[in-house]
Amino acid sequence: AQKITQTQPGMFVQEKEAVTLDCTYDTSDPSYGLFWYKQPSSGEMIFLIYQGSYDQQNATEGRYSLNFQKARKSANLVISASQLGDSAMYFCAMREVGGGSQGNLIFGKGTKLSVKP
Amino acid sequence: GAVVSQHPSRVICKSGTSVKIECRSLDFQATTMFWYRQFPKQSLMLMATSNEGSKATYEQGVEKDKFLINHASLTLSTLTVTSAHPEDSSFYICSARRLAGGPTSTDTQYFGPGTRLTVL
Repeated sequence: AQKITQTQPGMFVQEKEAVTLDCTYDTSDPSYGLFWYKQPSSGEMIFLIYQGSYDQQNATEGRYSLNFQKARKSANLVISASQLGDSAMYFCAMREVGGGSQGNLIFGKGTKLSVKP
Repeated sequence: GAVVSQHPSRVICKSGTSVKIECRSLDFQATTMFWYRQFPKQSLMLMATSNEGSKATYEQGVEKDKFLINHASLTLSTLTVTSAHPEDSSFYICSARRLAGGPTSTDTQYFGPGTRLTVL
């Protein structure tokens, strides 16, 4: 079973509008972390935002916010005021603390976001 | 933010040769580094976890004799693709884990810029 599911292979958004990228996860570990990364066409992976499983508030970093719904096991990324430079692949990832994991990130399949001028 | 460098960024080699890729954490010590492989339009696939001073842990299906990993210091890990073949052509990305000093779930992984390997 997939641990990280991103159901939107591709998304379009108009410049200056907000967009939500979906991510659901599956884990039985009570302690985990959720991450979002941006991968532009150059290939580098850029860390955007982090949410811990015990965090009470949703994480925010500038124009990025994470809509964390623990009971639903979802961690959607919200990008406000989209810019042309936001066009990229976006990956949701999870780190489980227990279960013998060495702390590696488990990635979803990604969502390709295209911002239209 | 923390910086991870990767060298070379692009390499083209003949089938049968070996290629070494270096991954360095430039401004922090990384006891754990990870090596990923990414095919076009696909997600990152973890190949192995590299711990400083010990043997790497390989994911199922990854040949350890083909993909040699050496984590010689707290800032350097190398991946050597031995006897490369065209099917090894891919985008290889390393990442270094920066310890947060608190719950391990908060540790951030910083990624290198990747190495595009083409085997002719």
